Amino acid sequence: QSALTQPASVSGSPGQSITISCTGTSSDVGAFDYVSWYQQHPGKAPKLIIYDVSSRPSGVSNRFSGSKSGDTASLTISGLQAEDEADYYCGSYSSSGTLVVFGGGSKLTVL
Amino acid sequence: QVQLHESGPGLVKPSETLSLTCTVSGGSINNYYWSWLRQPPGKGLEWIGYMYSSGSTDYNPSLKSRVTMSVDTSKNQLYLRLRYVTAADTAVYFCSRVQFAVAVNMDVWGEGTTVSVSS
Repeated sequence: QSALTQPASVSGSPGQSITISCTGTSSDVGAFDYVSWYQQHPGKAPKLIIYDVSSRPSGVSNRFSGSKSGDTASLTISGLQAEDEADYYCGSYSSSGTLVVFGGGSKLTVL
Repeated sequence: QVQLHESGPGLVKPSETLSLTCTVSGGSINNYYWSWLRQPPGKGLEWIGYMYSSGSTDYNPSLKSRVTMSVDTSKNQLYLRLRYVTAADTAVYFCSRVQFAVAVNMDVWGEGTTVSVSS
């Protein structure tokens, strides 16, 4: 069982926006502004798309945005494209046990 | 740009030691933290631990008793050893670079190497 809770699946049509939630606790998501989001296509390594809750690495599309409220972080993808179909993982810095905890991943299907 | 490449045996017997190497090219190992993570088949990511280029480490408590990470800066290589493996250690193993010294920010990843534990 993963430390952070994400929906197993989300879906949307091209051009639409979707939001993936990531719920933790006051020891991880709620305690630190160190939440990251990773995109993983099948058979590939994860790719960092959001760090520090809402910052985007150079080269990542501005269609990806992140936010946080309390113990829940969110990833929003706007203007959905077919290439966005992938698994998305949230991760957080944690003060309880291990330094890094992840969500179980959310599979995004672009209809 | 920095590239990472994991290597090691694809098959390890139960109770033996898994040994992996991560070769860093296009940049220096120095002054960065480097992580190891794994992903069991069809499952999510698990953070194994990280180490600074000086050799200091921090491990996931669930694996701490069996894990050793080390570095050879002269070879630009990182190493992972996991002792007493079982089938539950079967996974794709990744090495990654930590950005801005924040453990959860991993900006460069290797392609991963698949390790199966079986007799």
